[in-house]
Amino acid sequence: AQSVTQLGSHVSVSEGALVLLRCNYSSSVPPYLFWYVQYPNQGLQLLLKYTSAATLVKGINGFEAEFKKSETSFHLTKPSAHMSDAAEYFCAVSPSGGSQGNLIFGKGTKLSVKP
Amino acid sequence: GAGVSQSPRYKVTKRGQDVTLRCDPISSHATLYWYQQALGQGPEFLTYFNYEAQPDKSGLPSDRFSAERPEGSISTLTIQRTEQRDSAMYRCASSPFGGGLSYEQYFGPGTRLTVT
Repeated sequence: AQSVTQLGSHVSVSEGALVLLRCNYSSSVPPYLFWYVQYPNQGLQLLLKYTSAATLVKGINGFEAEFKKSETSFHLTKPSAHMSDAAEYFCAVSPSGGSQGNLIFGKGTKLSVKP
Repeated sequence: GAGVSQSPRYKVTKRGQDVTLRCDPISSHATLYWYQQALGQGPEFLTYFNYEAQPDKSGLPSDRFSAERPEGSISTLTIQRTEQRDSAMYRCASSPFGGGLSYEQYFGPGTRLTVT
């Protein structure tokens, strides 16, 4: 069965510093992978997705993620954190070839950005 | 509509009562998903619809949970005889194509259910 592990429930960075949020997945088939962001009192918003095309995926708000099959990882990065990046981030997997598109989510990582 | 809407946004109910949550997806979206998110956890899949058909109910935790989408648009999630363990955020999402793996799911703001 597919699963997602997000290392670190809380990550704190200084404004302008590198953001690195870790995600590892378990899947017996090549997966589709997603990163979602949740701002307070809002719904989940898609940041980016990997669907077996380019391994380096660029998303909104300057975020990107790299699919590394050998490491079963899909870490999210941003070169320079902004105060507005403070939110909760969820990594999710959807099994390729499945008959439906339901997502399996990690537990989430709360990102804090210090001035 | 412009986005996925859910109502109510907050619901407090007493144990043993029935509750019904509503999801209004983006108009013309074929597929609608329900997720349950406990505190400190990621969303967990409950069930989904392609138009009015409900191909998969496997994520529903018990037979106290049921969902409908009778006209292929608005959906309701009903929890009968609520228990404290049902307290969670209930999220609805819709996507433009039925069962599409590459297509983005658009999430609503969620309904926070508290069972006292």
